[in-house]
Amino acid sequence: EAQVTQNPRYLITVTGKKLTVTCSQNMNHEYMSWYRQDPGLGLRQIYYSMNVEVTDKGDVPEGYKVSRKEKRNFPLILESPSPNQTSLYFCASRVLAGNQETQYFGPGTRLLVL
Amino acid sequence: AQSVTQLDSQVPVFEEAPVELRCNYSSSVSVYLFWYVQYPNQGLQLLLKYLSGSTLVKGINGFEAEFNKSQTSFHLRKPSVHISDTAEYFCAVTRIQGAQKLVFGQGTRLTINP
Repeated sequence: EAQVTQNPRYLITVTGKKLTVTCSQNMNHEYMSWYRQDPGLGLRQIYYSMNVEVTDKGDVPEGYKVSRKEKRNFPLILESPSPNQTSLYFCASRVLAGNQETQYFGPGTRLLVL
Repeated sequence: AQSVTQLDSQVPVFEEAPVELRCNYSSSVSVYLFWYVQYPNQGLQLLLKYLSGSTLVKGINGFEAEFNKSQTSFHLRKPSVHISDTAEYFCAVTRIQGAQKLVFGQGTRLTINP
């Protein structure tokens, strides 16, 4: 079954304590990205990756890091979380092949930073 | 750059009534258009997409949308809603050439009342 998995699904942490949210896809997609969802703002892209070792900033990259050492994994790193990073995070992967353009989303990670 | 405006943040309707969720977009280049649904405490699921061809697109769960290039709109419709359609709906666009991200609207919360 084609899927994008994220861990953890729920996380409560404190300001300044480094954390990593993992993302993995089993579809051999080149493109992966991270979004955050906030009420009234929809989803906004944090970072994206076009392939292994190729990453770039999205619309709201401040306070986040990513890496893409393997095709299937795209972890999101918060080096020093702050309360304004409390949000719902989604990882996504996609194939871009003409009329097969489709993006698959993970189940989400709900993060609370105290 | 692209932008998406969902004209209604909340839409309450009675069960079995028709519904239309409005989406307008802005882009200087050609785009693909999508509608996603997010059921309570779940991730995003693709409802339908417009890539090319017929401007009337049919999706899952009885939803359809019509692409109107002159009006730059992609409104979502369903002739008769059910309680199970209660969810948040997101309109999104991505540029066709060099697509790097989905740009989302703010979301419309559809509430079905018995």
